[in-house]
Amino acid sequence: GAGVSQSPRYKVAKRGQDVALRCDPISGHVSLFWYQQALGQGPEFLTYFQNEAQLDKSGLPSDRFFAERPEGSVSTLKIQRTQQEDSAVYLCASSLASGASYNEQFFGPGTRLTVL
Amino acid sequence: GDSVTQMEGPVTLSEEAFLTINCTYTATGYPSLFWYVQYPGEGLQLLLKATKADDKGSNKGFEATYRKETTSFHLEKGSVQVSDSAVYFCASTPNSNYQLIWGTGTKLIIKP
Repeated sequence: GAGVSQSPRYKVAKRGQDVALRCDPISGHVSLFWYQQALGQGPEFLTYFQNEAQLDKSGLPSDRFFAERPEGSVSTLKIQRTQQEDSAVYLCASSLASGASYNEQFFGPGTRLTVL
Repeated sequence: GDSVTQMEGPVTLSEEAFLTINCTYTATGYPSLFWYVQYPGEGLQLLLKATKADDKGSNKGFEATYRKETTSFHLEKGSVQVSDSAVYFCASTPNSNYQLIWGTGTKLIIKP
């Protein structure tokens, strides 16, 4: 079956531009996560949705980062006024049930954002 | 705070060699522990997991045992193949928490 998909796969932005990254989770998955992965590092948690509710946004690095999941399926991560330090791979993951620690998270291929 | 430390790579082995990738964690509670693998050009996928002390996770010939006394979750495989070449990430979730905390990843290169 279809896995988690993300688009675009690659995005180049000029400093100061706004970008929007899309995530299509596995159908029926309740939980959705966004992570940021810098080059040579492990992913870092950004935010968590349970259905349409954003239950945790503690990892968002600044108020330039905004995420939404209005209908409880597709999610968009928006970054306003991009800076060079925003360059990273942005990963989306979904899991079937609510966010208990033992629920496997299924990852998309990521969007590589480069800010010039 | 909670953290995960894993050995730096790259680790280069010959086919059929024994593999160990070390992973240790710090946690205030009782985390679940995971190994994820990222094959070239693909997304992260769960390799194995353990949810409590002394549990052994296993998959595709890989094993890891949750050792509370040494706060470790080392990944092992008895005989590696070229197809095992990938980046391996150790991760934990703090007690009753969904946030995955990740190590920095270990690149494994297997030569025929």
